[in-house]
Amino acid sequence: QKEVEQNSGPLSVPEGAIASLNCTYSDRGSQSFFWYRQYSGKSPELIMFIYSNGDKEDGRFTAQLNKASQYVSLLIRDSQPSDSATYLCAVTRGGSARQLTFGSGTQLTVLP
Amino acid sequence: DVKVTQSSRYLVKRTGEKVFLECVQDMDHENMFWYRQDPGLGLRLIYFSYDVKMKEKGDIPEGYSVSREKKERFSLILESASTNQTSMYLCASSSGQVETQYFGPGTRLLVL
Repeated sequence: QKEVEQNSGPLSVPEGAIASLNCTYSDRGSQSFFWYRQYSGKSPELIMFIYSNGDKEDGRFTAQLNKASQYVSLLIRDSQPSDSATYLCAVTRGGSARQLTFGSGTQLTVLP
Repeated sequence: DVKVTQSSRYLVKRTGEKVFLECVQDMDHENMFWYRQDPGLGLRLIYFSYDVKMKEKGDIPEGYSVSREKKERFSLILESASTNQTSMYLCASSSGQVETQYFGPGTRLLVL
């Protein structure tokens, strides 16, 4: 069983819509949660992180965390074609917070 | 801005060759990581280091070794390259107890 699960997609949304990306994790010791964006052929770049239950907003992006359900999500409002990429969910490991476990990513396509 | 650089963007090697991948970061980060990324498998941790001369095995260390002689430099070594080591290799770094990892541009290695 994978430790961090994401729907691989592809997920397609029209321009201007809200894209919703989901991630579940199995390590109850995980304390910090990250979303990275990876364009095709490029390396992952950090979008945002969240530590506490609830919502955290940064511009068009909102991360949501529910530790009881072991669930973290990323909402992208007013999606743009430039948001088309693979989104990676990463969580810290319970045994070592400096290490991350990554999901395999969800491919998002925003249609003009 | 954090800058992580990797010695090569693309490499083609023959089976049995010794391969060196080098990573350099310019932000005085203590922690450095090597991952490989394969379709459908996400990022998998090969080795990591929290200090000079220190190294720890990650999830998939077999067939690899590392070297960290200077704080800013972390090298990944494939002692005898095999075709199943064809992959995208990503280096990352982070500071102290902060979990956010910053990635280099990646090296796409093809072993023939």
